Amino acid sequence: KQEVTQIPAALSVPEGENLVLNCSFTDSAIYNLQWFRQDPGKGLTSLLLIQSSQREQTSGRLNASLDKSSGRSTLYIAASQPGDSATYLCAVRSGSARQLTFGSGTQLTVLP
Amino acid sequence: DADVTQTPRNRITKTGKRIMLECSQTKGHDRMYWYRQDPGLGLRLIYYSFDVKDINKGEISDGYSVSRQAQAKFSLSLESAIPNQTALYFCATSESGGRSYNEQFFGPGTRLTVL
Repeated sequence: KQEVTQIPAALSVPEGENLVLNCSFTDSAIYNLQWFRQDPGKGLTSLLLIQSSQREQTSGRLNASLDKSSGRSTLYIAASQPGDSATYLCAVRSGSARQLTFGSGTQLTVLP
Repeated sequence: DADVTQTPRNRITKTGKRIMLECSQTKGHDRMYWYRQDPGLGLRLIYYSFDVKDINKGEISDGYSVSRQAQAKFSLSLESAIPNQTALYFCATSESGGRSYNEQFFGPGTRLTVL
């Protein structure tokens, strides 16, 4: 059974810092990996999708990498802003049913 | 207008009542999903549907049923609600091909409280 872990569970940084969020998964036979952002009481916003054949994806200040063999992904956020404060969720698509398995998230706070 | 909408957004009900949560999408996607989110447990898949005639159980389908009324509509029912079904419920969609192949897009969620 696929398991997804996100470390740390919470992170607080001053505005302007570059930061890295980590995601690890137990079964490397994945179809893709998706990073989401969730604001309190709100739905999930898709940030980046990395297909299994890709090594990284970039969108603005965000860069996500994927290392299938080691079962790891990182989300790099450059020049963090208070508006980046949210919970970031990692999810992998795997298994015969190709289901998404989510991590528990990293709660990010960017201090002004 | 939102691409994926859920109704109601909030619902408080009593144990034993039948509840239906509805999801509609204007994205033209063929695949739809229902998840629940509980603090500390992340999101877990309840049911999913790859087209109108296809319904599949997810990780935690006991106590739930679904109906795919049309490509754009997917409803979740709790036949007899119980307190441990109190959670935040999300609907999601994806497409089987195209530019955003298998990227899932989520609705705003329904907060359900069962007393």
